[in-house]
Amino acid sequence: EDQVTQSPEALRLQEGESSSLNCSYTVSGLRGLFWYRQDPGKGPEFLFTLYSAGEEKEKERLKATLTKKESFLHITAPKPEDSATYLCAVQLNTGGFKTIFGAGTRLFVKA
Amino acid sequence: GAVVSQHPSRVICKSGTSVKIECRSLDFQATTMFWYRQFPKQSLMLMATSNEGSKATYEQGVEKDKFLINHASLTLSTLTVTSAHPEDSSFYICSASLPSGLQDTQYFGPGTRLTVL
Repeated sequence: EDQVTQSPEALRLQEGESSSLNCSYTVSGLRGLFWYRQDPGKGPEFLFTLYSAGEEKEKERLKATLTKKESFLHITAPKPEDSATYLCAVQLNTGGFKTIFGAGTRLFVKA
Repeated sequence: GAVVSQHPSRVICKSGTSVKIECRSLDFQATTMFWYRQFPKQSLMLMATSNEGSKATYEQGVEKDKFLINHASLTLSTLTVTSAHPEDSSFYICSASLPSGLQDTQYFGPGTRLTVL
């Protein structure tokens, strides 16, 4: 069964305290892995797409990496404005290119 | 680029009425649009995949007669919740797919909060 699991469910950090969010996946075939940020009451905002193991993408304080089994979203020196829910999604390479979302990690950054 | 809009952002209606939600890709053409439902503090649940000019593909457990989807053009898809009931109250989010290299990246609308009294 295709599955995407994110951990931890929630993460509380002090401002400047770097950490990583995990997205592990078990799928029949990976076409792409996506990271999104979602603020309360809003739609997800696209952050990164990763295609192959070893690939890395960076944007400001965020860096996403990908292996054959999991992806990490590293947050360096986070600020309170980085507080949000971060969603991981895997697009399958089977018919229809279905996308499966993880449950998300709620990040709280305290000043 | 890759902006998706939804209208309305919030709707309150009486039980038994129908509600239409529009999803538009503003600066690109989307052959595929998706409709999701999200409950508080939960992730996105895919309801259906909509392709322009053809019938939507519904996920298991989603009533196609209750959630009518029309994908009339490459920039517009609509979701109509027919005879809405309080249990249909939720946050509905659409996304539009934009091919990007080897992947199809989904760009999301801002969501529509539906409250059925």
